[in-house]
Amino acid sequence: DTVLTQSPALAVSPGERVSISCRASEGVNSYMHWYQQKPGQQPKLLIYKASNLASGVPARFSGSGSGTDFTLTIDPVEADDTATYFCQQSWNDPTFGGGTKLELK
Amino acid sequence: QVTLKESGPGMLQPSKTLSLTCSFSGFSLSTSGMVVSWIRQPSGKSLEWLAAIDWDGDKYYNPSLKSRLTVSKDTSNTQVFLKITSVDIADTATYYCARTTGSSYYFDYWGQGVMVTVSS
Repeated sequence: DTVLTQSPALAVSPGERVSISCRASEGVNSYMHWYQQKPGQQPKLLIYKASNLASGVPARFSGSGSGTDFTLTIDPVEADDTATYFCQQSWNDPTFGGGTKLELK
Repeated sequence: QVTLKESGPGMLQPSKTLSLTCSFSGFSLSTSGMVVSWIRQPSGKSLEWLAAIDWDGDKYYNPSLKSRLTVSKDTSNTQVFLKITSVDIADTATYYCARTTGSSYYFDYWGQGVMVTVSS
């Protein structure tokens, strides 16, 4: 399995910039995708193939990286962005990171 | 408008077989490149991809669970099914079905999920 490692939690103030990282145990080329999940809801696609914004997603969200290290950036953060963010790779059988819970101060 | 909806038994006993249905609309699984996957999430935990079936009827399984999983689709290409044999408490989770288009294998549409509890 390709293991994806994310930091468990982050806290930021509205209006700030936040970067959420995801490290893969092996290279996944650019086949990294990001999802937002709010409590009681299904995940929502934000970014596909490392840096492509999904349809309808605000331009405040962006993605970067290749190989083993990837970043989801939200700038500026809004109150509605409180959620858990998951990365997912599809270079091998799909696997997900453990999730990063974003809280607002 | 693409929608997916999961249905299942809600609760079942250990050692039984879990049967789930994903009913979808807004796309056809007979269209080249379309894939429907099953993904689960225990409460408060991360996501685990389980299985997938594509437009051509090819099936893919998580190697760690492969011996217990069977994915299939109906002939009208509007429903996908998942069976998990010999369930135990560790199979308690919310089960999602999700769509993939193309070869990049990201999940662009998800169902709302169905919660399944395994308990005696």
